[in-house]
Amino acid sequence: QLQLQESGPGLVKPSETLSLTCAVSGGTVLSASYFWGWIRQSPGKGLEWIGSIYYTGSTYYNPSLKSRVTTSLDTSKNQFSLRLSSVTAADTAVYYCARSSSWYFDSWGQGTLVTVSS
Amino acid sequence: DIVLTQSPGTLSLSPGERATLSCRASQSVGSTYLAWYQQKPGQAPRLLIYGASSRAIGIPDRFSGRGSGTEFSLTISRLEPEDFAVYYCQQYEKSPFTFGPGTKVDI
Repeated sequence: QLQLQESGPGLVKPSETLSLTCAVSGGTVLSASYFWGWIRQSPGKGLEWIGSIYYTGSTYYNPSLKSRVTTSLDTSKNQFSLRLSSVTAADTAVYYCARSSSWYFDSWGQGTLVTVSS
Repeated sequence: DIVLTQSPGTLSLSPGERATLSCRASQSVGSTYLAWYQQKPGQAPRLLIYGASSRAIGIPDRFSGRGSGTEFSLTISRLEPEDFAVYYCQQYEKSPFTFGPGTKVDI
């Protein structure tokens, strides 16, 4: 059974870079059938797709965040990562990693709260 | 961006009753590019329906979805106690993939 687990700092200072990793078990990030993505949820903006990455390394980002987002794969560790630069309080949210097939999300991590504050 | 509007915001029902939730898109998402999720407090969303009407693995048949174009609905035929949650629709017709604001189904 596929399991996804987010990890990373729960507190990030304004203007710094948020970095999260999603460890995948029970499946492989090298599968050609799926994309690996990030979604966040905040009280103010609800659920927001951030971006996704394919096993080839191709990336797909929400245009509203594209200038600040980088996603990457680490096939040796079977995990993928998110970096969001120049964060502000508006980036405070629960961040989820998820697997998608045809761009709907069929498996989710439990989520991790990231607070942006000095 | 395609904006999704869900109604009602809150649906107050009792176990055993039928729930019908609506999702309206600002432009057509075709007949298949719409998903529904259930989220309980402190948990991640769970996929219920994809392709507007296909149930995800393990989802009971009391959940059904229908619709096309800009109008979609999720029906829970007989509410079980574990169905009281927030439900979100998501379109994946066009990037950026967007979610609705949710409908809370409570007792």
